[in-house]
Amino acid sequence: AQTVTQSQPEMSVQEAETVTLSCTYDTSESDYYLFWYKQPPSRQMILVIRQEAYKQQNATENRFSVNFQKAAKSFSLKISDSQLGDAAMYFCAYRSAAPGGGADGLTFGKGTHLIIQP
Amino acid sequence: DAGVTQSPTHLIKTRGQHVTLRCSPISGHKSVSWYQQVLGQGPQFIFQYYEKEERGRGNFPDRFSARQFPNYSSELNVNALLLGDSALYLCASSLGQALTYNEQFFGPGTRLTVL
Repeated sequence: AQTVTQSQPEMSVQEAETVTLSCTYDTSESDYYLFWYKQPPSRQMILVIRQEAYKQQNATENRFSVNFQKAAKSFSLKISDSQLGDAAMYFCAYRSAAPGGGADGLTFGKGTHLIIQP
Repeated sequence: DAGVTQSPTHLIKTRGQHVTLRCSPISGHKSVSWYQQVLGQGPQFIFQYYEKEERGRGNFPDRFSARQFPNYSSELNVNALLLGDSALYLCASSLGQALTYNEQFFGPGTRLTVL
């Protein structure tokens, strides 16, 4: 079974600064997807960024980028120019890319609470 | 287009009762997944349904069951409620189960409190 670990229960950053959230995972599979989801107080889970394990290039979405280290099984999220609207719980998640593996759903970490200080 | 909708928003039940939670996927989406999110934890996968058939199941007891209707909406049923079933129940829809990636879109959830 796959596991996802987020070792930072809470992180705080000044507005306009850069913050990095950590995530490690454990799997015996070679092909999979990794995700970062944002869950604001409204509770709705929103996809921030996705990384395919077979791609060496790190994914980037505007101010959000990842550092994917496959050998180390590490997947960190960097948020540049932090904004007040970035305040939320952030979850790292894993999904198998094996045929039919999506039927096993997403495996989530416990989350990191990100606080943005004005 | 409307996103994933869930009803009710909040629900209070007592131990031993039964509960039914409902989910309507995004129009055109044929797959629905259910997750349980206990306070302070990440969501845990319960079920995935595609084309009205169960395609995946997480590590949950038989008290949890679900079904998907011809219009692709879904119900999650929980029998003999326990205090530990108190959680936010999330529904996610996607286009369908396929060999390629299909993004899951989440609903706002149903907050279940068991007293």
